[in-house]
Amino acid sequence: DSGVTQTPKHLITATGQRVTLRCSPRSGDLSVYWYQQSLDQGLQFLIQYYNGEERAKGNILERFSAQQFPDLHSELNLSSLELGDSALYFCASSEGRGYSGNTIYFGEGSWLTVV
Amino acid sequence: GEDVEQSLFLSVREGDSSVINCTYTDSSSTYLYWYKQEPGAGLQLLTYIFSNMDMKQDQRLTVLLNKKDKHLSLRIADTQTGDSAIYFCAERAGTYKYIFGTGTRLKVLA
Repeated sequence: DSGVTQTPKHLITATGQRVTLRCSPRSGDLSVYWYQQSLDQGLQFLIQYYNGEERAKGNILERFSAQQFPDLHSELNLSSLELGDSALYFCASSEGRGYSGNTIYFGEGSWLTVV
Repeated sequence: GEDVEQSLFLSVREGDSSVINCTYTDSSSTYLYWYKQEPGAGLQLLTYIFSNMDMKQDQRLTVLLNKKDKHLSLRIADTQTGDSAIYFCAERAGTYKYIFGTGTRLKVLA
């Protein structure tokens, strides 16, 4: 158990809909990362937050957005869903202060199926 | 650009050693990591190596780093069927930036 909690574990929804994926980082971790894993694209970095502020952005679509709340949990919002958005979405967390040994820990992922 | 490359597949026989290779591009990377992903599960940190080290051993796992060639390898001794998984190499290319490879799918044949 990495200590990173993601909900829901599985989600099936229709095209055009909107979903929210939730992540609780490890206790004490300030940084949260979101990744998308699909069969044809591998592991793609979406976005990163540090202590409530956006720190880095990767290949995140405009239909997707995220935020990190004062209690450090994070949500990834996916809207106007398309079939191609079906993937495993990972949240990860790290201490985020940049100290030596900083390691990123992953949750179990949220499986999203768009039908 | 920043990129981490791995071969997609590796097949070995049970009891043999597996060697999974990775190349990265950012010479300023401070830490390099190996993660394991079993079917339907998240990425589990296996080990990591600091960039000023050449080698790190942890039980059946040996990590070799050739910083000059930007080449990282993971050797699994006495590979077991339970080692079948996808192995991701990753580099920490900045204070907050982690770049992952595409993953190598290891299949262990009984």
